[in-house]
Amino acid sequence: AQSVSQHNHHVILSEAASLELGCNYSYGGTVNLFWYVQYPGQHLQLLLKYFSGDPLVKGIKGFEAEFIKSKFSFNLRKPSVQWSDTAEYFCAAGPSGNTPLVFGKGTRLSVIA
Amino acid sequence: DVKVTQSSRYLVKRTGEKVFLECVQDMDHENMFWYRQDPGLGLRLIYFSYDVKMKEKGDIPEGYSVSREKKERFSLILESASTNQTSMYLCASSLNVGYGYTFGSGTRLTVV
Repeated sequence: AQSVSQHNHHVILSEAASLELGCNYSYGGTVNLFWYVQYPGQHLQLLLKYFSGDPLVKGIKGFEAEFIKSKFSFNLRKPSVQWSDTAEYFCAAGPSGNTPLVFGKGTRLSVIA
Repeated sequence: DVKVTQSSRYLVKRTGEKVFLECVQDMDHENMFWYRQDPGLGLRLIYFSYDVKMKEKGDIPEGYSVSREKKERFSLILESASTNQTSMYLCASSLNVGYGYTFGSGTRLTVV
């Protein structure tokens, strides 16, 4: 079965620290990749997505992700986190077409002052 | 913006009750999905639908069924609620899965 792995269950960072959240997927062919964020008490929102082209994808709120095909990875980065980035982050993947997305187990990010 | 509306934010039901969770989207999306979200387990797919009257089982369909009589509405049914179905239930819709999903706010169901 296809799977998505997120390496970190809970990450704690100080404000202004750099962030990198790991994500690996198991699909062998063409794949669509996503990062979603869930702020406390809110619904899941799309941060960014990758279909093809430039492997460095920029999303909202200063986030970016890099697709590395040889490593089956799609890591999320942000140069300087803010307290408002405290949330749970989910990586998701799916092959081309309308096959449902598979989600990772999520990474909880806590940003402290 | 696409809006996905789940009828209840919080529900408390008794063991053995039949439970209906409703989801409505307003952008004519053909694809709709039900996931449950549990701490440490992420999102797991229960059922999905690509069209009216059509349904497909996801990874964890046991104890659930769905109904899609109209394009905009996708209902999740717990035939006989059990305590292990206590969870956050998320509905999502999509014009094309490759573009990603739009999620509803979720229904937190507690079965006592």
